[in-house]
Amino acid sequence: RKEVEQDPGPFNVPEGATVAFNCTYSNSASQSFFWYRQDCRKEPKLLMSVYSSGNEDGRFTAQLNRASQYISLLIRDSKLSDSATYLCVVNIRTGANNLFFGTGTRLTVIP
Amino acid sequence: GAVVSQHPSRVICKSGTSVKIECRSLDFQATTMFWYRQFPKKSLMLMATSNEGSKATYEQGVEKDKFLINHASLTLSTLTVTSAHPEDSSFYICSARLLLAGVSSYNEQFFGPGTRLTVL
Repeated sequence: RKEVEQDPGPFNVPEGATVAFNCTYSNSASQSFFWYRQDCRKEPKLLMSVYSSGNEDGRFTAQLNRASQYISLLIRDSKLSDSATYLCVVNIRTGANNLFFGTGTRLTVIP
Repeated sequence: GAVVSQHPSRVICKSGTSVKIECRSLDFQATTMFWYRQFPKKSLMLMATSNEGSKATYEQGVEKDKFLINHASLTLSTLTVTSAHPEDSSFYICSARLLLAGVSSYNEQFFGPGTRLTVL
């Protein structure tokens, strides 16, 4: 079983739509959680960390459910510039700070 | 701040040759850097953890004699793909971990722009 699983999509949504991505992780001892954004043929960039209490950054809201080992990312009022692959990332190994990446969910925002 | 560079950005080589990829943290020191590989439409896979001044730690299934890692300074790690073969063609990305003094829980990695390796 993969450490981190995501729906690969693709998600094609119109501008202004709200879209949600989900991610599950297998290791209950996972320490920290992130959403990264990766544009085509580019490196991943941190979008936001995910906290147990949930957190919001502008149009982006991240939620963590430790009991269900589930992470979500909600994007409101989608912009064309939001088109990218969104990677769910989990830090599993205590102390080593290594990150395990999901395969990513491809989002295309359509005019 | 927290910029990581990689060189070269793209390399095409013949089968059997060796290729060296450099990863530099430009404005911070990184005692730990990480090397990832990403095949098309696949997730990033951690290959190894590069530790300044000591041997790298390789993930299961990654041949340490084939993928040589040297972390000679606090701002430079190199990955050498020895005797490259077509199946080594991939996108290689490094990252450097930024530590904040007094904040042990801080855990952000900054990624280099990646190196696209094509072995003919």
